[in-house]
Amino acid sequence: NAGVMQNPRHLVRRRGQEARLRCSPMKGHSHVYWYRQLPEEGLKFMVYLQKENIIDESGMPKERFSAEFPKEGPSILRIQQVVRGDSAAYFCASSLSTGAMDEQFFGPGTRLTVL
Amino acid sequence: AQRVTQPEKLLSVFKGAPVELKCNYSYSGSPELFWYVQYSRQRLQLLLRHISRESIKGFTADLNKGETSFHLKKPFAQEEDSAMYYCALKGRTGNQFYFGTGTSLTVIP
Repeated sequence: NAGVMQNPRHLVRRRGQEARLRCSPMKGHSHVYWYRQLPEEGLKFMVYLQKENIIDESGMPKERFSAEFPKEGPSILRIQQVVRGDSAAYFCASSLSTGAMDEQFFGPGTRLTVL
Repeated sequence: AQRVTQPEKLLSVFKGAPVELKCNYSYSGSPELFWYVQYSRQRLQLLLRHISRESIKGFTADLNKGETSFHLKKPFAQEEDSAMYYCALKGRTGNQFYFGTGTSLTVIP
């Protein structure tokens, strides 16, 4: 099992462009989580998805950010019209379920730099 | 509010010395707490969880509800313990983790 895969690992965008971050969960995992880590801060929860459904998006900014986890293919975190403040590391995690003993397995992250 | 605080950004200890990484939390009810570790050039991985009462790589962590703490301890630090350590609290809904800002541990040979 290759673990959680994220691509690209590094992404550079100019202000106003769109950023698309991809996450392939571990095989057999149907729960996906996105976190953002701003410089000098801890990871902050953004959104939790199951296949084709957004379950909890309480940590997601209301504008410009969206996430999906289609029936086929990876989960996508999309940031429209990026601004400098979006520069951060974005981590994806997946789990088998949300039970007490089920850990979240993390991907290597995507480092987004907005010029 | 659900929150995790790691007061030390950087911690250096000599090899063989005891190490304690501090973690305090804010949560009403029975918390589920975890320690994650990120070694250089590797991804974040689970080190231990309080519910398992386990010891991994010589590390232990005891939940102290009175002090709302979950400090990570190891009696004798090793060079390979040098890494970034994050304390995390599972949210009430079970969907998300609240992470501390992390402590960078350096074990000096």
